[in-house]
Amino acid sequence: DAMVIQNPRYQVTQFGKPVTLSCSQTLNHNVMYWYQQKSSQAPKLLFHYYDKDFNNEADTPDNFQSRRPNTSFCFLDIRSPGLGDTAMYLCATSRDLGNVEGYTFGSGTRLTVV
Amino acid sequence: GENVEQHPSTLSVQEGDSAVIKCTYSDSASNYFPWYKQELGKGPQLIIDIRSNVGEKKDQRIAVTLNKTAKHFSLHITETQPEDSAVYFCAASRSGSARQLTFGSGTQLTVLP
Repeated sequence: DAMVIQNPRYQVTQFGKPVTLSCSQTLNHNVMYWYQQKSSQAPKLLFHYYDKDFNNEADTPDNFQSRRPNTSFCFLDIRSPGLGDTAMYLCATSRDLGNVEGYTFGSGTRLTVV
Repeated sequence: GENVEQHPSTLSVQEGDSAVIKCTYSDSASNYFPWYKQELGKGPQLIIDIRSNVGEKKDQRIAVTLNKTAKHFSLHITETQPEDSAVYFCAASRSGSARQLTFGSGTQLTVLP
């Protein structure tokens, strides 16, 4: 089945130690998104890629970066994780910008910073 | 920008009863309203959606209603079952908007056996 796959499901990292989260999709969607979801809160959009065009949300900290080497893969890099970055990180895809029907989430990576 | 408010934050119902979750939105140009169910430790899954040219949509035990004038939409779950227990998020989006989905704050639904 076509889907959005995130790895790893759980990640523990030390304060200040760079960490990379992975997302892959078999839907051939043009847009890939990264969300941060803290406990008991709604997902918060960090940034998205439309094809190779990167779009950062205004309030996303510089500590968060992303790479999309090809259509299928997108990575979230946290350069120097702080304790406040402990959260679920969700990857999502959609066919096109401005058309969010068919928006599909992955199962998420639960990141714990210790 | 768009702002979506969702109520209640927690909801407990007896198995077999109905559950209703309400959302309001601020941007009158929003025209697509999905609902997501998120089970513990999993990503949100789309359960139903509605476009602004429709007032109501139903899929088995789940229905969504939309009142464009009042800018609110609601999720209705009938004959609730324990497996309906989860966090439910509403969202709003405007076609052509680069900001994509704006989520409500979520409702923790607990169905008591």
